[in-house]
Amino acid sequence: EAQLVESGGGLVKPGGSLRLSCAASGFTFRNAWMSWVRQVPGKGLEWVGRIKRITDGATTDYAAPVKGRFTISRDDSRTTLYLQMNSLMTEDTAVYYCTTPLYDGRSYSDEYFQHWGQGALVTVSS
Amino acid sequence: QSALTQPRSVSGSPGQSVTISCTGTSSDVGGYKYVSWYQQHPGKAPKFMIYDVSKRPSGVPDRFSGSKSGNTASLTISGLQAEDEADYYCCSYAGTYTFVVFGGGTKLTVL
Repeated sequence: EAQLVESGGGLVKPGGSLRLSCAASGFTFRNAWMSWVRQVPGKGLEWVGRIKRITDGATTDYAAPVKGRFTISRDDSRTTLYLQMNSLMTEDTAVYYCTTPLYDGRSYSDEYFQHWGQGALVTVSS
Repeated sequence: QSALTQPRSVSGSPGQSVTISCTGTSSDVGGYKYVSWYQQHPGKAPKFMIYDVSKRPSGVPDRFSGSKSGNTASLTISGLQAEDEADYYCCSYAGTYTFVVFGGGTKLTVL
């Protein structure tokens, strides 16, 4: 069973930076396209971005609100996913979840988020 | 404002059935078969419940079912149980630029 553990959340001032980590286990991390999804406290879910596997170029895609400010990376040797957040704004305050795509035993479908970490709270406030 | 529209709340008594709607457009729900649903209990991470409109991942009870008609997807929970009380979110693929969009969530209360 896949396990995801996020870390690195905390309080940061507007304009500041923070890096989240997501330690993954229980599945073949190097084969998975990984995503970050966030949730403003008391509000709905929002896809943040994703990174493809190394063999697919490890290319990244981002939601419009974070494009140019957030960077997703991965270290397959450490089975760890990262989210570097720069130029943070108050509206970035949220719980950030690391997620795996659906795996049906043969292939991945990254339109779906099968496993979720416990989340990391990021608070942007002066 | 979320891209997909869900009712803020629904309720039902134990044993009854409830349906949660999720309305989008032809650019998301109506245009693709990639609709999913997530259950979230307070203080917990979301749980993957439905994919490909109506398929259930292993371990999800068959009381949960999904469907779609035009631009609206639906989640039906039959034989309501107390532990079904939670927030439910729909999600749809929305093309290569937007990727996916979520609904605003529906709070299910089991009376």
